[in-house]
Amino acid sequence: SQTIHQWPATLVQPVGSPLSLECTVEGTSNPNLYWYRQAAGRGLQLLFYSVGIGQISSEVPQNLSASRPQDRQFILSSKKLLLSDSGFYLCAYQRPSGANVLTFGAGSRLTVL
Amino acid sequence: QKEVEQDPGPLSVPEGAIVSLNCTYSNSAFQYFMWYRQYSRKGPELLMYTYSSGNKEDGRFTAQVDKSSKYISLFIRDSQPSDSATYLCAMSGGGTASKLTFGTGTRLQVTL
Repeated sequence: SQTIHQWPATLVQPVGSPLSLECTVEGTSNPNLYWYRQAAGRGLQLLFYSVGIGQISSEVPQNLSASRPQDRQFILSSKKLLLSDSGFYLCAYQRPSGANVLTFGAGSRLTVL
Repeated sequence: QKEVEQDPGPLSVPEGAIVSLNCTYSNSAFQYFMWYRQYSRKGPELLMYTYSSGNKEDGRFTAQVDKSSKYISLFIRDSQPSDSATYLCAMSGGGTASKLTFGTGTRLQVTL
């Protein structure tokens, strides 16, 4: 069976500090991978998606970047965090031959102070 | 106008009630429709998935899609306190990468 892991689960960082959130998927090969951000009362906003190693598409210009160094690993980064980067970050995967549905991880809650 | 509109609630119902949750959308290219359930501080989990118009039933849950009206619904029968969560509708036009567009979610509280 497929599983998805995200870490850290909770993070409190000062403004201007770097960020690295990691996501790994098990039990499937060549998944499509996604990073979403969920802000209070605003729904899920797609940040990045990837259809393969090294292939990153950005949906929203911002202070964040993403990388996919391995088939089942997706990393969300920032060099300098802003207050507005606070939120609940969700990684998701889609099986390459599966239906148009996403399976989400448990999320990483980031607070920037 | 947002692509997907969803009443944020909160919606409070007594145990055993029938719950109706709805979303409207504006993009006629959407063909795949989903409902996700999200408990507090957890990731969303897929509840129902439908393609194009029609109904789909799974236990106490029924999903309806009316593409002519650009309107989707989720019905929960015999609601339980464990159904208390935020319900997110999501939809996409398909393609290689399923870029889902989400509603903002409706918070449901089922009381004893």
